[in-house]
Amino acid sequence: DAKTTQPPSMDCAEGRAANLPCNHSTISGNEYVYWYRQIHSQGPQYIIHGLKNNETNEMASLIITEDRKSSTLILPHATLRDTAVYYCIVRVGNQGGKLIFGQGTELSVKP
Amino acid sequence: GAGVSQSPSNKVTEKGKDVELRCDPISGHTALYWYRQSLGQGLEFLIYFQGNSAPDKSGLPSDRFSAERTGGSVSTLTIQRTQQEDSAVYLCASSLTPKEETQYFGPGTRLLVL
Repeated sequence: DAKTTQPPSMDCAEGRAANLPCNHSTISGNEYVYWYRQIHSQGPQYIIHGLKNNETNEMASLIITEDRKSSTLILPHATLRDTAVYYCIVRVGNQGGKLIFGQGTELSVKP
Repeated sequence: GAGVSQSPSNKVTEKGKDVELRCDPISGHTALYWYRQSLGQGLEFLIYFQGNSAPDKSGLPSDRFSAERTGGSVSTLTIQRTQQEDSAVYLCASSLTPKEETQYFGPGTRLLVL
């Protein structure tokens, strides 16, 4: 699975959009980009995933660049409850199996 | 509906003792995963079950660690002769099928080895 690079930490003001970047320059054509988050003292929670088209669900939007070497997770209106560590994971789709977590980005949403 | 549950939520043990950690996956989920998260470390994969068999045990750190799954449901992770470096949060996840993209995580068991 391709390696990802994320900034270790970010701040965001409550009510503003949080834009979390992820670099995955070695991504292969059959690899998807997944995002999970882990709120303090809880297990990780799935957010969204995509292959090459932008994706949106009730939690977030995922923007993948045309060359697929990077992506951005967007939380459109961040709340204090969005404070968490966000993990970007790249893996082959439709194969399941283990998730390989990096260090993630610690997002702090401030009032 | 009920999510993944784990027990105990916290466990304190003495070095050298054996411990058993339990995971109840979401009903009907055939794939089950164990991960651990040490203080200040990322999440580390341990083992994966498909039904009652474990096609991927590559993350088990030593032969002191073992896991089983019975009836395609409950799983137990056993650590024998615990060491202080085993102190971590042990997380269990399940997915509907092995190829299902979304893994649902439990709250974890916090293990402290004194």
